Amino acid sequence: EAGVVQSPRYKIIEKKQPVAFWCNPISGHNTLYWYRQNLGQGPELLIRYENEEAVDDSQLPKDRFSAERLKGVDSTLKIQPAELGDSAVYLCASSLILGASTDTQYFGPGTRLTVL
Amino acid sequence: GEDVEQSLFLSVREGDSSVINCTYTDSSSTYLYWYKQEPGAGLQLLTYIFSNMDMKQDQRLTVLLNKKDKHLSLRIADTQTGDSAIYFCAENGGTYKYIFGTGTRLKVLA
Repeated sequence: EAGVVQSPRYKIIEKKQPVAFWCNPISGHNTLYWYRQNLGQGPELLIRYENEEAVDDSQLPKDRFSAERLKGVDSTLKIQPAELGDSAVYLCASSLILGASTDTQYFGPGTRLTVL
Repeated sequence: GEDVEQSLFLSVREGDSSVINCTYTDSSSTYLYWYKQEPGAGLQLLTYIFSNMDMKQDQRLTVLLNKKDKHLSLRIADTQTGDSAIYFCAENGGTYKYIFGTGTRLKVLA
């Protein structure tokens, strides 16, 4: 069974440019998460979806970040415009059960973003 | 607020045991997790323990939980060079919102 798929794996852009990341969760997983991992740190949650609904986006910087999961499967995270401080690894994770706090999250390989 | 702390580095010789430690603050955590991250890769779930357990063993991995002291440890027996990676502990604080530690970089010397 395929794991969580993310693309691109690496992205280098200049500041003020837009960028988008794509995630395909494990088949059948209803809950999807986007995390940001700064260098030398653990991941921090940005947004959580249950099906197509964003049920927690409290940590998402809404002035420049947006996300969507239109059909409740794939998801896209966008930054516009990017800033130097956005350089990080953006991780997508998914879990099977809706609303189950103890359900295990499975992570993709991440997209490493470098903003110059 | 919630906080999870880990030591940054650990170096062991191949064949020895490794013990990676973690302390957390949120007593409402129901599950605690250990993830492994190899260079350029995502986080791989290694094991987890329910908060009403003291110990869990899974092949070369042993997790010990001291709920009173809010201390979690991961022991890797017979450590191999392939175990070199960053290890993260995480708590779920009784919700879906995982709080990760800063990670412990394990280096295994041949």
